[in-house]
Amino acid sequence: DIQMTQSPSTLSASVGDRVTITCRASQSISSWLAWYQQKPGKAPKLLIYKASSLESGVPSRFSGSGSGTEFTLTISSLQPDDFATYYCQQYNSYPCTFGPGTKVDIK
Amino acid sequence: EVQLVESGGGLVQPGGSLRLSCAASGFTFSSYWMSWVRQAPGKGLEWVANIKQDGSEKYYVDSVKGRFTISRDNAKNSLYLQMNSLRAEDTAVYYCARARDVWGKGTTVTVSS
Repeated sequence: DIQMTQSPSTLSASVGDRVTITCRASQSISSWLAWYQQKPGKAPKLLIYKASSLESGVPSRFSGSGSGTEFTLTISSLQPDDFATYYCQQYNSYPCTFGPGTKVDIK
Repeated sequence: EVQLVESGGGLVQPGGSLRLSCAASGFTFSSYWMSWVRQAPGKGLEWVANIKQDGSEKYYVDSVKGRFTISRDNAKNSLYLQMNSLRAEDTAVYYCARARDVWGKGTTVTVSS
């Protein structure tokens, strides 16, 4: 099985900050990676698919990059609505594993 | 409006069974892979199972193989998860998802005596 790790596990930031979250796969997954945002008590929301493709309706301050085993999610200017937990997921092979999540909270 | 609505969750004793349903609307259900994903209380997301558009391919996480069965009825625009031999560690919110881009609000399964 492909293991996914994320760093940091928690990130404290202020509105307007540039935020970067890293996701690493235990083996190459090409670009078969998605990023999700989840708020407490809510379903996950797809932000990025195929590593760098922005899902329709997602603000352009979100961007994704990477391929192979190392990926990043960047929020160019953090907004109040962005405080949440972020997960990466590989869908290169089964089982489709998620990373453990990165909680972005208010500094 | 594209929508997924889960139902069928509840409290069940260890060793018991439940059948979750997911009603899809607003899109051509038969054109999409569908998934079940779960989240234990206070924990991260765990992919559970996928099913191909015509039901011909099914994939499961190891921890549920032999106990859970994913299925679909394209005529009824519905996805199902039959869960047998339930364990305390199956306690979670279960989400139905269209591939990756559309998610339901989830249904809660609690396995406890």
